[in-house]
Amino acid sequence: QSALTQPASVSGSPGQSITISCTGTSSDVGSYNLVSWYQQHPDKAPKLMIYEDTKRPSGVSNHFSGSKSGNTASLTISGLQAEDEADYYCYSFAGTSYVFGTGTKVTVL
Amino acid sequence: EVQLVESGGGLVQPGGSLRLSCEVSGFTFSNTWVMWVRQSPEKGLEWVANINEDESQKYHADSVRGRFTVSRDNAKNSLYLQMSSLRVDDTAVYYCAITDYHALFFWGQGTLVTVSS
Repeated sequence: QSALTQPASVSGSPGQSITISCTGTSSDVGSYNLVSWYQQHPDKAPKLMIYEDTKRPSGVSNHFSGSKSGNTASLTISGLQAEDEADYYCYSFAGTSYVFGTGTKVTVL
Repeated sequence: EVQLVESGGGLVQPGGSLRLSCEVSGFTFSNTWVMWVRQSPEKGLEWVANINEDESQKYHADSVRGRFTVSRDNAKNSLYLQMSSLRVDDTAVYYCAITDYHALFFWGQGTLVTVSS
């Protein structure tokens, strides 16, 4: 199972919106509404931000949102804040296994 | 507060064995699937294994199948990963996590496994 493809880096100024893409295949992202997104700050464990493509867990800010079209899922951060600077990973169920994305470093300029 | 605490990591030689533990508190452990995930600079995040509430369903990634075994003890609120025939490319931080809706809702802080001679 190959890793899902994400851009290596995305940047934006405070207050701007950015979108991170996550491209898989019809065997994973495209087959199930089970993409989740994780935020990871340096030397910390990842934190769940979005699950089932679009849902936010309790306590996650509504300036994070998820969407999906075909084999590509996306995470949008609206109103970028300094504390949003982190690595972001997508993750998908793939039938008999799970696969993570390659990771995207978000920089707040 | 939900807490997951991993232990058992360390330095081991290639071909050696190690058993990781993850103790869960603040959550009804016996009612949930749980998972092991690892992270290394070379391979990024990687699903390792997961197990259902009563151990009747266990799944392992191709890269570890036949060498690693996931198990749990609900009486001790604990998850385990028995690792054998360890290879250099198993070197990683190993995380345990509580899963639901095929997502990882709660994570431990991780334990480092280094396989080196």
